[in-house]
Amino acid sequence: DVKVTQSSRYLVKRTGEKVFLECVQDMDHENMFWYRQDPGLGLRLIYFSYDVKMKEKGDIPEGYSVSREKKERFSLILESASTNQTSMYLCASSLGAGRGLNEQFFGPGTRLTVL
Amino acid sequence: ILNVEQSPQSLHVQEGDSTNFTCSFPSSNFYALHWYRWETAKSPEALFVMTLNGDEKKKGRISATLNTKEGYSYLYIKGSQPEDSATYLCAFPMDSSYKLIFGSGTRLLVRP
Repeated sequence: DVKVTQSSRYLVKRTGEKVFLECVQDMDHENMFWYRQDPGLGLRLIYFSYDVKMKEKGDIPEGYSVSREKKERFSLILESASTNQTSMYLCASSLGAGRGLNEQFFGPGTRLTVL
Repeated sequence: ILNVEQSPQSLHVQEGDSTNFTCSFPSSNFYALHWYRWETAKSPEALFVMTLNGDEKKKGRISATLNTKEGYSYLYIKGSQPEDSATYLCAFPMDSSYKLIFGSGTRLLVRP
């Protein structure tokens, strides 16, 4: 059974804290993605990675950074958390070949609240 | 900027009703169209990835059609069941890249 796991389902942090969200996939996928989902909006891409140590900005990268040191792990970092980063964060992965033809496999999400 | 629109935003139906909803996307430079189902407290999961104009895909009681020339896809659910309650998302790859542009979803509630 293919799996994308995220380190926490719920997280509460204070403004200004550094926050790490971890994602691990066991499917040997080349691509990994971080999205956030807010009410009334679709999933918005924060960053993605198509290979180890490679990353590209998505649509809303401001205030975030990422790290991909190993193929199976993709971390999202909030350098200094702010209240407007309160959201549901979803990680996903997909095969590298075929680009937009490949379905994405999602983790269960982390609901982050920044106080 | 690419825009993917879904309608309606939400839908309440009675168990046994058939229902459908729409995804609209830019018709130029079409590459593929994805449908995902996102049940509460679960991970979004792919239903279909469609690529050909006129394509129709089916998974149990759920089916989808695709019109790339006019830029829309319909998702149909026949004989809705309470377990079909979920948010249904469509997504469109930006050019042929890995990046998907998601619609805001149609939230379906099936009442027993």
